Amino acid sequence: GAVVSQHPSRVICKSGTSVKIECRSLDFQATTMFWYRQFPKQSLMLMATSNEGSKATYEQGVEKDKFLINHASLTLSTLTVTSAHPEDSSFYICSARARVGGTDTQYFGPGTRLTVL
Amino acid sequence: AQTVTQSQPEMSVQEAETVTLSCTYDTSENNYYLFWYKQPPSRQMILVIRQEAYKQQNATENRFSVNFQKAAKSFSLKISDSQLGDTAMYFCAFMKHSAGSYQLTFGKGTKLSVIP
Repeated sequence: GAVVSQHPSRVICKSGTSVKIECRSLDFQATTMFWYRQFPKQSLMLMATSNEGSKATYEQGVEKDKFLINHASLTLSTLTVTSAHPEDSSFYICSARARVGGTDTQYFGPGTRLTVL
Repeated sequence: AQTVTQSQPEMSVQEAETVTLSCTYDTSENNYYLFWYKQPPSRQMILVIRQEAYKQQNATENRFSVNFQKAAKSFSLKISDSQLGDTAMYFCAFMKHSAGSYQLTFGKGTKLSVIP
């Protein structure tokens, strides 16, 4: 149980285009999902918290107009990187919160590698 | 704000041996959760083990166990009978036990290599 999928796993796009990444909780409902960015050999950096039916909460320094987050259902959150540039190239990971055995836990998707040419 | 410190950037262990990864944290909270996640070369983050701070008993999951010392704010992970598949980055993480706040604070990670 508590499986999270992410699509696409890899994407290459041209500078100036927009890219949408989907995060789905497959066997549970997730009122809260998270989006992270991970640079090589570093830890995960939280970008935003996505709550179903409401606006996402962005971490300091993350441009909300550049990284659009939509959490329209209890099983789907999307991250759209608008007008992508080479510096946006990175590994993006989503997670979904589930309550298992009385404990809140984040379960992670497999990640999306974005390369902007 | 919470901080999580993993003081061992890299470690190695012989296959079948036991290894302990260190994690300390700083918080003023009394109720919280602690986690160890594993990130193998595939980069999929996998939950290894979790601990509720109010529980005194150390969590165990098969070959993985923790030594949770609440007063010392220490949460180490012991891997017994290490296997080649245990080679990965290991991240220690903290979560407040508070409704509406489910963010994880991660340590910088420990790269574990299991040597055949």
